[in-house]
Amino acid sequence: AQSVTQLGSHVSVSEGALVLLRCNYSSSVPPYLFWYVQYPNQGLQLLLKYTSAATLVKGINGFEAEFKKSETSFHLTKPSAHMSDAAEYFCAFNNFGNEKLTFGTGTRLTIIP
Amino acid sequence: NAGVTQTPKFQVLKTGQSMTLQCAQDMNHEYMSWYRQDPGMGLRLIHYSVGAGITDQGEVPNGYNVSRSTTEDFPLRLLSAAPSQTSVYFCASSPGLAGVETQYFGPGTRLLVL
Repeated sequence: AQSVTQLGSHVSVSEGALVLLRCNYSSSVPPYLFWYVQYPNQGLQLLLKYTSAATLVKGINGFEAEFKKSETSFHLTKPSAHMSDAAEYFCAFNNFGNEKLTFGTGTRLTIIP
Repeated sequence: NAGVTQTPKFQVLKTGQSMTLQCAQDMNHEYMSWYRQDPGMGLRLIHYSVGAGITDQGEVPNGYNVSRSTTEDFPLRLLSAAPSQTSVYFCASSPGLAGVETQYFGPGTRLLVL
């Protein structure tokens, strides 16, 4: 089945350290891929999206993600974590270009001072 | 622009009661969706609409109804609430297909069914 998997439901990093959140997809055709962020008690907002224009996608707040077809991955990174990055992050996927977005189960990121 | 607004913020229901969760957007988006968020399960699509008068089922539609009489509003009705419907509900809108375009989310409605 076509799907998206997020590895690690909880990730903790020290302030200033590299952030790496993992997302793998399963699809027989090139997918559309998204990362959304949810701050405490808020709705989701878009961090970045991949729609086949470029494999390295830059988003807001210093985040970026690289589409790797050979690894079926779309991992989210940020070189230096900030306290304000503490949130839940969702990878989302669509492989038909239609109305339905399938979300991963989410990764909660904790920043250690 | 207010973006996507949802009311109420919190609601407690007894099993068997009905209620309507309101959602409105002022961005003139054609596409609107309802999701529920449960711990460890991410967001799951309940119903969606591609324009006024057009709705369709998502992944978990049972126990919910929707209608879309205007571009701005997309209410979600719980017909007979059950404890399994305890969840956080998010409404979202997008200027194009939700699987391609950015979705804009409301702040959510937290529902507890006793």
